[in-house]
Amino acid sequence: QVQLVQSGAEVKNPGASVKISCKTSGYTFRLYSLHWLRQAPGQGPEWMGWINAGNGDTRYSQRFQGRVTISRDTSANAVYMEMSSLRFEDAAVYYCARVVAESMHLDYWGQGTLVTVSS
Amino acid sequence: EVVLTQSPGTLSLSPGERATLSCRASQSVSSNYLAWYQQKPGQAPRVLIYGASSRATGIPDRFSGSGSGTDFTLTISRLEPEDSAVYYCHQHEQSPRTFGQGTKVEIK
Repeated sequence: QVQLVQSGAEVKNPGASVKISCKTSGYTFRLYSLHWLRQAPGQGPEWMGWINAGNGDTRYSQRFQGRVTISRDTSANAVYMEMSSLRFEDAAVYYCARVVAESMHLDYWGQGTLVTVSS
Repeated sequence: EVVLTQSPGTLSLSPGERATLSCRASQSVSSNYLAWYQQKPGQAPRVLIYGASSRATGIPDRFSGSGSGTDFTLTISRLEPEDSAVYYCHQHEQSPRTFGQGTKVEIK
């Protein structure tokens, strides 16, 4: 079965960087794109960007351009999201999610990774 | 960016009742690119409806979606206790993808 398993919770100081992994299984990794989203408490999800797992092409929301880097490791069937210059308002649960090629909706999601930003 | 406005903010209904959730877009969205998600506390969102009206795999037929243009609706025909959750609409036609702020459904 399709699974997306994310790395564990992180606590970071303001100005630091965080890198979250999303390890996939149960499907052919290169055939799907993977997206990253975040969700602050009490709010709807916010889309951050995506990576084509086949060719490594990336696209980012303008809001995160220059501060977020999404990458992949095809040998590990994993994608990564790194965010730099963390601010208090970056505290959220971060999700990876797979996109269905035909309909382009997000079908499978990781379990989420809580990022806390605290001094 | 396409802003999605959901109403009502909270819906409190009894088991067996019908729930009607609204999602209004700030500009026209193709029906092909409108989805609905259910999220329970501590869990990731789960897709219910994609393409405005197609049920995702394993979703009970009491969930249905409709609409076009700027107005979309998620209907839960007969509420079950396990339907207590927050529901989000999501457009993925234009970048950036955007979500509504959610409708909380409470079961009395």
